[in-house]
Amino acid sequence: EVQLVESGGGLVQPGGSLRLSCAASGFTFSSYWMSWVRQAPGKGLEWVANIKQDGSEKYYVDSVKGRFTISRDNAKNSLYLQMNSLRAEDTAVYYCAVYYDSSGAFDYWGQGTLVTVSS
Amino acid sequence: DIQMTQSPSSVSASVGDRVTISCRASQGISSWLAWYQQKPGKAPKLLIYAASSLQSGVPSRFSGSGSGTDFTLTISSLQPEDFATYFCQQANSFPLTFGGGTKVEIK
Repeated sequence: EVQLVESGGGLVQPGGSLRLSCAASGFTFSSYWMSWVRQAPGKGLEWVANIKQDGSEKYYVDSVKGRFTISRDNAKNSLYLQMNSLRAEDTAVYYCAVYYDSSGAFDYWGQGTLVTVSS
Repeated sequence: DIQMTQSPSSVSASVGDRVTISCRASQGISSWLAWYQQKPGKAPKLLIYAASSLQSGVPSRFSGSGSGTDFTLTISSLQPEDFATYFCQQANSFPLTFGGGTKVEIK
């Protein structure tokens, strides 16, 4: 059974940093693109970042470029999102997801971790 | 960036009704479109990929159609467990983008 478990969310002040983690199990992690998708309270879904199987390609939504960094450790079956210079508008539930590049769809999702940016 | 516009933003329907949700892309995306269902407090669930392919385990009352810029998600006979919010997502190019969502409510 595929499992994705996010952690690392919490309350942080504007300008602060946070590192999210996603522990993957139940599938061959190193064989798949991985993604972060977020959802602000009461709002829709927003794709944040993608990373290729070997980490050689990374893509970001413009609003986080230069502030967020996606990375992975295939030996630990883990995905990460380093978030710096956080803003109030980054407040959201952050989901990690398995991205199937053959279809462009997010096939499996974690339960999400809430990041709140507030003073 | 490709903008995804869903309509309606909400729909009230009864159990057994046929429900149709539309999604329009701001430019052609071929069949690079997925549909998701999300219930309150839960992660989204993939229903349809490649515009019309049913994800494994998803009931056959869900179907998708369209290509280019106009797409449709149809629920042929609404069931109680189908009351949720539905999102479309384009996968033609980065940045990947979602529609604003359609909430299916009980009439």
